[in-house]
Amino acid sequence: KAGVTQTPRYLIKTRGQQVTLSCSPISGHRSVSWYQQTPGQGLQFLFEYFSETQRNKGNFPGRFSGRQFSNSRSEMNVSTLELGDSALYLCASSFNEGLAGFSEQFFGPGTRLTVL
Amino acid sequence: GQQVMQIPQYQHVQEGEDFTTYCNSSTTLSNIQWYKQRPGGHPVFLIQLVKSGEVKKQKRLTFQFGEAKKNSSLHITATQTTDVGTYFCAGWTSNDYKLSFGAGTTVTVRA
Repeated sequence: KAGVTQTPRYLIKTRGQQVTLSCSPISGHRSVSWYQQTPGQGLQFLFEYFSETQRNKGNFPGRFSGRQFSNSRSEMNVSTLELGDSALYLCASSFNEGLAGFSEQFFGPGTRLTVL
Repeated sequence: GQQVMQIPQYQHVQEGEDFTTYCNSSTTLSNIQWYKQRPGGHPVFLIQLVKSGEVKKQKRLTFQFGEAKKNSSLHITATQTTDVGTYFCAGWTSNDYKLSFGAGTTVTVRA
């Protein structure tokens, strides 16, 4: 099986712009979670989607949003980018119906976002 | 802020030696997961512990979940260069049902 894929792998944006990142989970996985990884804050949970519904959310502002499509592919959007949004954004999928973090998560390679 | 604290932040180990990384939470955790991230890579799932006092082994790696389910440890014996990377713990805090990651322990190995 192919692993989790994320596009694009690298992205450079300027402050105030918005960005959309894409994640394709492993075939058969219906849970998709998004994480932000920075040197200062480490790995932080953004949100989780299951069967097109957001079922859990971390402590991020409303500028961060996401959605999931019927084929389980997911996108996350960040509006009005700030310098502090520069980070590696990781997507993870899991097979079990339980909440992410209760079953093995398979991470994608991430999208490196740089905000100038 | 982070609810799951991980120590040490850095671990420099001589090849062949043992080391332990610790994960501590101020609140009870429903479970604990451990991940390894190689330099330039993405986190890879190692194991999940659910039961109080649970101990699991994977070859040279021993994982333990505390009796109070507030701490966990990862012990690696006879460290090899392939053990290089950052080890993260992650757990569900039972008070607010948020998945919290530790800051990670970055391991370097001296040959």
